[in-house]
Amino acid sequence: KNQVEQSPQSLIILEGKNCTLQCNYTVSPFSNLRWYKQDTGRGPVSLTIMTFSENTKSNGRYTATLDADTKQSSLHITASQLSDSASYICVVRAGGGADGLTFGKGTHLIIQP
Amino acid sequence: DAGVIQSPRHEVTEMGQEVTLRCKPISGHDYLFWYRQTMMRGLELLIYFNNNVPIDDSGMPEDRFSAKMPNASFSTLKIQPSEPRDSAVYFCASSLTAGGSQPQHFGDGTRLSIL
Repeated sequence: KNQVEQSPQSLIILEGKNCTLQCNYTVSPFSNLRWYKQDTGRGPVSLTIMTFSENTKSNGRYTATLDADTKQSSLHITASQLSDSASYICVVRAGGGADGLTFGKGTHLIIQP
Repeated sequence: DAGVIQSPRHEVTEMGQEVTLRCKPISGHDYLFWYRQTMMRGLELLIYFNNNVPIDDSGMPEDRFSAKMPNASFSTLKIQPSEPRDSAVYFCASSLTAGGSQPQHFGDGTRLSIL
């Protein structure tokens, strides 16, 4: 069964600090992995997408990594800001179908001033 | 670009009542998805459409749930009769393609509370 596990479930850090969120998956066959950011009361918004051949991809202060051998991904946030407070959801696609997505339950990140 | 538009944003109703959620996808997107999000289970795909045709409704929990897409710019998700366990946030999303590098664009959801 395809699964996506995220850790930690929640995280509190001080503004300006860095943090790393983890995503482990058992999805096969692997197509791509996407990180979404979901602000409170809003829908998820795509941050990055990574395919099998990509190891690292950045979007501003967000850097995603992918290790396809160990089936792990991480999302690193540098110099956190209050606006980074949100849930971060890891989504893995298997094959090419529109319904081939497996969602993680997300990491709830709180940035304190 | 107005994005995906959902209505209402909040709905509170009593058990047994009919609930209708509405969605306007992004113009030109061929795929439309309905999701349900709860703390316990995260995001779950309920049903998706391609060019207004339902393709996979295996995620619809019971016969009480139904979805329609009468045209390319409008879709509804209906629950009849509603039950307290249906309380959740329901999201509509649309995308250009089925897979590949195109992301799904989500609306801001309908927060549904069944008393």
